[in-house]
Amino acid sequence: QQQVKQSPQSLIVQKGGISIINCAYENTAFDYFPWYQQFPGKGPALLIAIRPDVSEKKEGRFTISFNKSAKQFSLHIMDSQPGDSATYFCAASPNNAGNMLTFGGGTRLMVKP
Amino acid sequence: DAGVIQSPRHEVTEMGQEVTLRCKPISGHNSLFWYRQTMMRGLELLIYFNNNVPIDDSGMPEDRFSAKMPNASFSTLKIQPSEPRDSAVYFCASSPQAVSGELFFGEGSRLTVL
Repeated sequence: QQQVKQSPQSLIVQKGGISIINCAYENTAFDYFPWYQQFPGKGPALLIAIRPDVSEKKEGRFTISFNKSAKQFSLHIMDSQPGDSATYFCAASPNNAGNMLTFGGGTRLMVKP
Repeated sequence: DAGVIQSPRHEVTEMGQEVTLRCKPISGHNSLFWYRQTMMRGLELLIYFNNNVPIDDSGMPEDRFSAKMPNASFSTLKIQPSEPRDSAVYFCASSPQAVSGELFFGEGSRLTVL
């Protein structure tokens, strides 16, 4: 059972554009929602994370938007750069088990110069 | 500071052979995870250790897979006998206990079973 569904599977954006990746979850016990970034040949690395007590979190060009009632959250990358080209994973974990992550299927982002 | 160290980075073996993947977590981290990554199934959690004790191994595919953590600085994932469908990238990750959600991943071990 896929508890975290991620879309799109791949995304091509022009340099300077906005990249948007969406995730939806089913388990209402989830209360921690990180995004991981993975470059080819490397392991995933934490990019940004949010808890459901806020609807938005921004760090530089990266923003998470969270909709608790819809059980959806999204990653927005503003002013996308070729260096942002990577695979992005959303994830979720339940109460009191912050590091027991369930990952989405991943989105391969390509930012064209 | 050294990150999570995995070995080997690449392994090519023949069906039926035993494969052992190794992981050294970040010093001071109490939790260790083994993940498998494939195009079809994405990132799957195989097993999770806390303070060297296996907590959740429900993701281990079958009895051919086993994992150990004999001490805080070393873990192994063993596949015996290996099959072509085991071909994947296997990641080890560690995390400070009770800290919310940040996993530190190694660079992975790419396994090809012919």
